[in-house]
Amino acid sequence: QQPVQSPQAVILREGEDAVINCSSSKALYSVHWYRQKHGEAPVFLMILLKGGEQKGHEKISASFNEKKQQSSLYLTASQLSYSGTYFCGTEGRGSTLGRLYFGRGTQLTVWP
Amino acid sequence: DAGITQSPRHKVTETGTPVTLRCHQTENHRYMYWYRQDPGHGLRLIHYSYGVKDTDKGEVSDGYSVSRSKTEDFLLTLESATSSQTSVYFCAISELGQGSTEAFFGQGTRLTVV
Repeated sequence: QQPVQSPQAVILREGEDAVINCSSSKALYSVHWYRQKHGEAPVFLMILLKGGEQKGHEKISASFNEKKQQSSLYLTASQLSYSGTYFCGTEGRGSTLGRLYFGRGTQLTVWP
Repeated sequence: DAGITQSPRHKVTETGTPVTLRCHQTENHRYMYWYRQDPGHGLRLIHYSYGVKDTDKGEVSDGYSVSRSKTEDFLLTLESATSSQTSVYFCAISELGQGSTEAFFGQGTRLTVV
């Protein structure tokens, strides 16, 4: 049930871009993205509800391909503050509505 | 910040003892979740609740039970703690499935079973 995230880790210099992918074997109702700093709770970034939907948050945006059951998180012109572990969360359709599963996370490190 | 509180924040317990973790919310959200977080495994769903007395298993529910007698409280019980249950436990709340909104997380409980 756990969605699959890739890559497991990314190392960037400030100003560089990154893409984190998330895929599920189940039909999806929504996809969530969260960021977690070390020793803290995960913090919500954005939610995508409709196939093909794209959303943006500062220089962080995401897309959702409902047919492929995939989502991607785009981080552009990365900043030091973007460092952390990124998780995608997926909510299925039908009887699994409301049940939120998370991937294993992608550790993003941004260096000056 | 969303009103969600976990207690205790830290606990050390001995193998074989029962342990109960509490999650309390003041947001009146329908859904409540318990996750465990371990290195390399991300956040894994233990149990979740979709209303008072309505609970269901997640992907790693063996050895855990839950109860929700009031909207605001969701308890996670380890009937007989084992070392493999040493982990950081997060509670979350949401209104998913109701037009789907974000999940809010508690600050976590670090549990060590010795």
